[in-house]
Amino acid sequence: KQEVTQIPAALSVPEGENLVLNCSFTDSAIYNLQWFRQDPGKGLTSLLLIQSSQREQTSGRLNASLDKSSGRSTLYIAASQPGDSATYLCAVIAGGGNKLTFGTGTQLKVEL
Amino acid sequence: GAGVSQSPSNKVTEKGKDVELRCDPISGHTALYWYRQSLGQGLEFLIYFQGNSAPDKSGLPSDRFSAERTGGSVSTLTIQRTQQEDSAVYLCASSLLRGGTDTQYFGPGTRLTVL
Repeated sequence: KQEVTQIPAALSVPEGENLVLNCSFTDSAIYNLQWFRQDPGKGLTSLLLIQSSQREQTSGRLNASLDKSSGRSTLYIAASQPGDSATYLCAVIAGGGNKLTFGTGTQLKVEL
Repeated sequence: GAGVSQSPSNKVTEKGKDVELRCDPISGHTALYWYRQSLGQGLEFLIYFQGNSAPDKSGLPSDRFSAERTGGSVSTLTIQRTQQEDSAVYLCASSLLRGGTDTQYFGPGTRLTVL
């Protein structure tokens, strides 16, 4: 059974810092990995999707990497801003279905 | 363009009652998914529809849960004889093609509270 873990569970940083969120998964046979953000009381917003054949994806200040063989992904956020405060979730789609298996989430707070 | 919409946004019901939750996917998306987000369990897959294929119901927690998708568009998730442990946020998502390669877009969710 695929299990997805995120470290740290919570993170507080001052504005302007670069930061890294970590995601690990137990079954490396994945189709893709997706990073989402969730704001309180709202749904999920897709940030980046990395196909299994890719190593990284970039969007603005966000960069996500994927190391399938070691079962790890990182989300790098450059020059963090208070508006980045949210819960960040990673999720994978593995063989045998199209369902997303979600990680436990990292709650990020960027302080002024 | 319009995203995934869900209704109601909030639902409070009494234990033992039936509830129906609705999802309108993005127009043209052939795949539709239901997930549940609860405090103790995180985000869990419930059911997946793809075109006219038989749905993947592997995530439904009990036979009190069912879902249908009419005309390949709108979907309804029904929970019969609700229990307090059913309290959660129910999220719907849709994607253009098979979810294995496509981004899933999520709606705002329905917060269900069972008293």
